[in-house]
Order: sequence, then structure tokens, then C-alpha cells
Amino acid sequence: NAGVTQTPKFRVLKTGQSMTLLCAQDMNHEYMYWYRQDPGMGLRLIHYSVGEGTTAKGEVPDGYNVSRLKKQNFLLGLESAAPSQTSVYFCASRGGYEQYFGPGTRLTVT
Amino acid sequence: AQSVAQPEDQVNVAEGNPLTVKCTYSVSGNPYLFWYVQYPNRGLQFLLKYITGDNLVKGSYGFEAEFNKSQTSFHLKKPSALVSDSALYFCAVSLYNFNKFYFGSGTKLNVKP
Repeated sequence: NAGVTQTPKFRVLKTGQSMTLLCAQDMNHEYMYWYRQDPGMGLRLIHYSVGEGTTAKGEVPDGYNVSRLKKQNFLLGLESAAPSQTSVYFCASRGGYEQYFGPGTRLTVT
Repeated sequence: AQSVAQPEDQVNVAEGNPLTVKCTYSVSGNPYLFWYVQYPNRGLQFLLKYITGDNLVKGSYGFEAEFNKSQTSFHLKKPSALVSDSALYFCAVSLYNFNKFYFGSGTKLNVKP
């Protein structure tokens, strides 16, 4: 039982490049979330999903897109990376009240 | 707008002493409150929650928190701190449908031997 996994763990991008972050969960949870963590700002919700095939915007959605084609996977895409998107990205899933978090992806945009 | 405030960036306590990490919230509606802990280079881990019922809730690792509706607070407490409690603590709030969660900025807890 791996819980929530994230791929990749680290990535360096140049401004304007694109990439996709993958989140996978094996707990059959309906809800999945993408957050970014920045120093002094805590976690901010980017997008979330309440079930397979659904997505919705969170607090800071601009510059990101998501897809949930399969219940166990939640993808976060950056179409044209900007230095302001340098952050640590966390995925989480939820079945009951408690969220289960992945180990994070550290992204640097130069 | 919903928000959570953690007024202290850092809390320092000596091992064996009681600890308190503060959290206040602002929501339109009934709040559902959570505490999470983050160890270095790890994801967040759930500690405890308040959904309904007793205002004093107990969680993992000996932590507890008290929901105070009049003061809109949900402070995290532990009677006797351990060095291993040193970590980053986040308070979070959600509303009735639990679709979105709003996190505070985090408080770094340092427990010194």
C-alpha cells in the first residue's frame, strides 16, 4: 500500500517550458488535491477534484491545468513555466475527513 | 473569504514543558478544523480534527486541541513536549462540503533538550 506517490521528486525547468506532475493514490479515494507550498505562505490550493472526470479551481489556479481521467491519478500541468511557479508541490487525496499527502515535488523555474 | 491565521512563525519550548501552537480562523459558516504536522522533506501528516461534539479533541502522539467558537480559535497543545515533536505545524479549516481546505502559514516548533 503505497498511499500517495508523486512523480518526479525534483525538476528544474527553464522559463517557457512545459511539464506535467503526476499524482497517484491507491486508496480508492474520490477527492484529490494539488497544493503549492511557499515559505511563509503555508499551503495554497491550486486545483481539486471530487471524482473521476471532474476538476475545479482552487485559490491559485492561474498558469496550471489539471486532469483526472482515472480515479487513481491526478495530473498537474504547467503549459509555460514562470519563475513565480518555483515551489514545492504537494498532492493529497481524501476518502473521509483526513487528507493523505504525497512526499512533494520540488520545482525550480529559472 | 475563508482564512486561517497562525500568529507565531516559531515556538520554542524546553523538553518536558507544555506547548501551545496557536490558530485562529475566519469562515462564513460552521468551521471544520484540522492540525497537520510536516517533518523536513516530507508531506503533511494528519494529527487531529474537530468536526462536531466535544470542544477538546485528542489526536496522534499525545496532541490535543481545543475548539473555542467565541474566540474563533483552535489551539494545539501537548502537556509535555518531546524533542521529536520539533517540526512544522499547520492549522487548516474547511466548510460543510469539505471540497476546499484553507491552511495557515505554519508554525515551526523547536523543542530543546
